[in-house]
Amino acid sequence: DAGVTQSPTHLIKTRGQHVTLRCSPISGHKSVSWYQQVLGQGPQFIFQYYEKEERGRGNFPDRFSARQFPNYSSELNVNALLLGDSALYLCASSRGIGGTYEQYFGPGTRLTVT
Amino acid sequence: DAKTTQPNSMESNEEEPVHLPCNHSTISGTDYIHWYRQLPSQGPEYVIHGLTSNVNNRMASLAIAEDRKSSTLILHRATLRDAAVYYCIPSEYGNKLVFGAGTILRVKS
Repeated sequence: DAGVTQSPTHLIKTRGQHVTLRCSPISGHKSVSWYQQVLGQGPQFIFQYYEKEERGRGNFPDRFSARQFPNYSSELNVNALLLGDSALYLCASSRGIGGTYEQYFGPGTRLTVT
Repeated sequence: DAKTTQPNSMESNEEEPVHLPCNHSTISGTDYIHWYRQLPSQGPEYVIHGLTSNVNNRMASLAIAEDRKSSTLILHRATLRDAAVYYCIPSEYGNKLVFGAGTILRVKS
């Protein structure tokens, strides 16, 4: 079975621009979560979606938004990019929500803001 | 969120067992204890999780203290491919994983 896929792999944006990152979960997984990982730190939780509804939000500004589609794929949008948004953005999928479910992570999208 | 304490780094010889400790004294009764690892330049990888009983899978074993305030991840025979950052994460609500600094495991050949 295919794992979690993310696109694009890398991208470079300029301050003030907008970016959309995409994630396809493992088949049968209904929950998608997004994380930001700045170099040298552990991943930080941004959003969780389950059955197309937002079920959790981390401590990120409103410039960050996301959505989940009927096929359970997801997009993360970031507006008005700042230099500090440069990071690895990780998507993870799981069958459901709750501590009993493990998450499977994609390879990430490396975003560089110049 | 429960706070966790893990050693900053550990070193092991190849083919030897490794015991990675984690203290989570503020864990709630419904938190599962998850372990993930992250190899260089990759996304985190699920290793194992448990609630109260010890757990085994093909990758590792998880030993959970009776009071649940600590746990130990056991790699039975470390290989060079096990060199990674290991994260211990109590998780209850949804799938919000709160990653700490983790333990950097170095494996010597």
